Amino acid sequence: EVQLVESGGGLVQPGGSLTLSCVASGFSFSRYWMTWVRQAPGKGLEWVANIERDGSEKYYADSVRGRFTISRDNAEKSLFLQMNSLRADDTAVYYCARRGVGSGLDVWGQGTTVTVSS
Amino acid sequence: QSALTQPASVSGSPGQSITISCTGTSSDVGGYNFVSWYQQHPGKAPRVMIYDVSNRPSGVSNRFSGSKSGNTASLTISGLQAEDEADYYCSSYTSFSTLVFGGGTKLTVL
Repeated sequence: EVQLVESGGGLVQPGGSLTLSCVASGFSFSRYWMTWVRQAPGKGLEWVANIERDGSEKYYADSVRGRFTISRDNAEKSLFLQMNSLRADDTAVYYCARRGVGSGLDVWGQGTTVTVSS
Repeated sequence: QSALTQPASVSGSPGQSITISCTGTSSDVGGYNFVSWYQQHPGKAPRVMIYDVSNRPSGVSNRFSGSKSGNTASLTISGLQAEDEADYYCSSYTSFSTLVFGGGTKLTVL
């Protein structure tokens, strides 16, 4: 079964750090671009970051550039999002997703919740 | 990285057809055939319904179709069913290899 499973979410104080993980199974992880998307409570989807198949290209939303770092370990079939200098407006469910054959995100994880609050 | 523009809500009766628009710019929707549409039920992860403007993934009903004209993409759902009630989001890749989503449209099946 093709699957993505996120972990690492939790409660963190403003200014703190957190690292999210996403483990892939059921497909050749290294052959796909991967993406992080977040959704604040009651709000819409917001793209966070993309990473190319071998990790050589990375792109970030303006809202997280300089604070978040996307990375991957193809040997471990894992995607990561290191989040520093967290703010209240980073509070959201964070999803990892696979960019499929076309441009669509065709496989999504169940999401992991990050809450930034004192 | 401005969000694409979608109507906040649309509604229709069972069996009817509805269309949701998604307006961007020549740097995203209008410049590339990389528009996708996602369905999201409450508490669930999004599901891709259309990719590359008009392609349907395996398993998606042919009641869902996509198109694009200029800077505006559209999702049409024909033969509305109760299970179609959900939030719908468009997205597009941009000239900067980034991804932008629309604000989302809540579909109500009356």
